[in-house]
Amino acid sequence: DVQLLESGGGFVQPGGSLRLSCVASGFTFSNYAMSWVRQVPGKGLEWVSGIRGSGGGTYYADSVKGRFTISRDNSKNTLFLQMNSLGAEDTAVYYCVKDAKRMSTITYFDYWGQGTLVTVSS
Amino acid sequence: DIQMTQSPSTLSASVGDRVTITCRASQSISNWLAWYQHKPGEAPKLLIYMASSLESGVPSRFSGSGSGTEFTLTISSLQPDDFATYYCQQCHSFSWTFGQGTKVEIK
Repeated sequence: DVQLLESGGGFVQPGGSLRLSCVASGFTFSNYAMSWVRQVPGKGLEWVSGIRGSGGGTYYADSVKGRFTISRDNSKNTLFLQMNSLGAEDTAVYYCVKDAKRMSTITYFDYWGQGTLVTVSS
Repeated sequence: DIQMTQSPSTLSASVGDRVTITCRASQSISNWLAWYQHKPGEAPKLLIYMASSLESGVPSRFSGSGSGTEFTLTISSLQPDDFATYYCQQCHSFSWTFGQGTKVEIK
């Protein structure tokens, strides 16, 4: 079975940094693009960032460009999101998501983790 | 960026009702559209991809249609398990965006 297990969420002050991790299992990790999607409490879903299976292409929403960095370690089946210069607007549940299409760019998402909560507050 | 607009934002319906949710794109996305179901405390679930293809394991009462800029998700006979929030998502451009969501409530 496909499993995506996020970690690294927590409480951080404005301007601070946090690094999220997502350990994947149950599929050939390097064959699939991966993304992070977030949900502000009480609001809708927002795609944040994505990375191709090889790691050769990375993509960001305008709201996080220049502050967040996505990466992956295919030898450890792990996806990362380095978040810097955090603001209150970044408070959200962050989901690690697997792309549905093998050997493709980012498309749509067939498996989601349970999410990790990031709270930015003074 | 391509904007996705869903309507209605909230929908009240009864078990057995036929329910239709609309999603409009700010520019043509061909059929690069997916639909998700999201329940509180759970991970979102993929229902439909490429506008009209049913994801494996999803009940056949769910269906999707449309192309270009206008799309619909239809639940043919609403079941108790279907009360949730539904999102469309475009995957046409290099900035993947969701609609704002449609909450399906019990009437």
